[in-house]
Amino acid sequence: NAGVTQTPKFQVLKTGQSMTLQCAQDMNHEYMSWYRQDPGMGLRLIHYSVGAGITDQGEVPNGYNVSRSTTEDFPLRLLSAAPSQTSVYFCASRKGRWGTNEKLFFGSGTQLSVL
Amino acid sequence: KQEVTQIPAALSVPEGENLVLNCSFTDSAIYNLQWFRQDPGKGLTSLLLIQSSQREQTSGRLNASLDKSSGRSTLYIAASQPGDSATYLCAGPRNRDDKIIFGKGTRLHILP
Repeated sequence: NAGVTQTPKFQVLKTGQSMTLQCAQDMNHEYMSWYRQDPGMGLRLIHYSVGAGITDQGEVPNGYNVSRSTTEDFPLRLLSAAPSQTSVYFCASRKGRWGTNEKLFFGSGTQLSVL
Repeated sequence: KQEVTQIPAALSVPEGENLVLNCSFTDSAIYNLQWFRQDPGKGLTSLLLIQSSQREQTSGRLNASLDKSSGRSTLYIAASQPGDSATYLCAGPRNRDDKIIFGKGTRLHILP
């Protein structure tokens, strides 16, 4: 059971470049989310999805786009990378929405540097 | 807006001691609360999930409690070991809200 898989593990971008961070889960989880983790700031929610075709903004959505065309995949797109987006990005998934007492599972993270 | 606070930010204790990590949340409408462990350079590993109807949850040397009325959760670690050194984070969703908000964590160092 692979769980939550993130690719790539490391990425270096130049300012203004675009890229997509991939996240896939094989647990048939309804809920998926993206966080960024920065020193002193903790984990901050970027976007989340409660099912295919349904996405919503978290605490820090600016500069990021998401879509959810399948249950398994939840890619995070940086349209024009900025140095402020240098961070470690984590994808997480859970079986159900807020009313379910299910654990949140995390991927191993993507370390992104924007020069 | 839900805010989650973890105090202290860092803690060093000698091996073998029992210790308590604290997690406070501003909105008592929190639905459930989950404790995680993060090792340096790694992802988050789930430790315990306390459901809204529970007050405590135990796994081995770990015990987590939830008091919604006071807006607090504690993680108790018994007989600490050097392998317990890590950052511990708490998180939870509010009622009818799918946003899961995290505290900044407590960085724990167990001294051999």
